[in-house]
Amino acid sequence: EIVMTQAPLSLSVTPGQPASISCKSSESLLHSDGKTYLYWYLQRPGQPPQLLICEVSKRFSGVPDRFSGSGSGTDFTLEISRVEAEDVGIYYCMQSLLLPLTFGGGTKVEIK
Amino acid sequence: QVQLVQSGAEVRKPGSSVRVSCKASGGTFSNYAINWVRLVPGQGLEWMGGVIPVFDTPNYAQKFRGRIAISAGESMNTVYMELSGLTYQDTAVYYCARLRSAAYNDMWSGQLDSWGQGTLVTVSS
Repeated sequence: EIVMTQAPLSLSVTPGQPASISCKSSESLLHSDGKTYLYWYLQRPGQPPQLLICEVSKRFSGVPDRFSGSGSGTDFTLEISRVEAEDVGIYYCMQSLLLPLTFGGGTKVEIK
Repeated sequence: QVQLVQSGAEVRKPGSSVRVSCKASGGTFSNYAINWVRLVPGQGLEWMGGVIPVFDTPNYAQKFRGRIAISAGESMNTVYMELSGLTYQDTAVYYCARLRSAAYNDMWSGQLDSWGQGTLVTVSS
């Protein structure tokens, strides 16, 4: 199975400051159709995960533009340009190139 | 917009089974892959398996094979996940999630874009 590794485990960020989360996959997530099947989710306490970023860099409907994704192959990054209080929670990357779907271990974002 | 509505919280004894349902409110699952993902306390998200209701052929994570069964109801607007041989380590919140395919000929490559509210399963003696 494809192993997803996230870093750091946790982040404590001052409101208005940027944050960056890394995700690495054990093999390339580039499909033969030219798409890269890497996604980012935010799970707030007590809520189901919500989709933030599709296919590395496409913001899902309604996601603020302070969220952005980048990367290729096996290395990916989620960036929050200016962290707000509502951004607290656990962020996960996920691959759906191959079954089983696999998630990174999660990065907990807190506000200072 | 189809919403996924799950059945309520369950408490089970070790060694028993639990069945959780996921119903499409306002539509059907049609030919989407419906997946089950769990969140174990202190751990991350874990994919358990899924099914495309129109084909009713499930896929399971290796870890759960032999004690998980995912199936679709005849109306194709409800999917069930049954987990047997429960242990304390199965205490978790279980989510169903719809996978919207982004690949031309692969219904399992895409985004989990709609999630149920979650079902807490507690295994306790």
